[in-house]
Amino acid sequence: DGGITQSPKYLFRKEGQNVTLSCEQNLNHDAMYWYRQDPGQGLRLIYYSQIVNDFQKGDIAEGYSVSREKKESFPLTVTSAQKNPTAFYLCASQLGGGNQPQHFGDGTRLSIL
Amino acid sequence: QKEVEQNSGPLSVPEGAIASLNCTYSDRGSQSFFWYRQYSGKSPELIMFIYSNGDKEDGRFTAQLNKASQYVSLLIRDSQPSDSATYLCAAPSGNTPLVFGKGTRLSVIA
Repeated sequence: DGGITQSPKYLFRKEGQNVTLSCEQNLNHDAMYWYRQDPGQGLRLIYYSQIVNDFQKGDIAEGYSVSREKKESFPLTVTSAQKNPTAFYLCASQLGGGNQPQHFGDGTRLSIL
Repeated sequence: QKEVEQNSGPLSVPEGAIASLNCTYSDRGSQSFFWYRQYSGKSPELIMFIYSNGDKEDGRFTAQLNKASQYVSLLIRDSQPSDSATYLCAAPSGNTPLVFGKGTRLSVIA
């Protein structure tokens, strides 16, 4: 059953701690994306990757880091430099070029302890 | 910066009515347009896409595209309370990722 799996569903971060959000897809999609969504707000692009071992910053990359070592996986690390990390984080993937739709995972909700 | 604009709403319609959601985009080169539905606390779900001028129908949903006016809309016929959600419009812009609008919140009143 093809899809995008994000884990965990809920995550709590302590002050000064780095946390990593997992995103795995078995759709054989080339491109993967990370978005942040705050309550009542739209999607904001954090990072994206169009091929393995390459990624680009989005609109709000500060305080976040990513890696793309495998086509299937695009983990996001929320570092201690991100002072306001509480949000809903969405991972998406896309087959090929920009004229294709993005498909989303179920999201991870991150809160500060 | 290429943009996709939507009225944030809320748009309230009575059950059984037609809900009309609108979206304008700035990049004349955009070739495809996507509508996503996002229920509160959930992730966006693709519900329609359209590539050509005119109308595309899928069940109770109709997407309409007018490239000359840079305007795309989503009509929901026979609106149901279960259609209450935020609807996001998205369009590609060159080699950059999809540009998403901020979404229109729809409330269908029983």
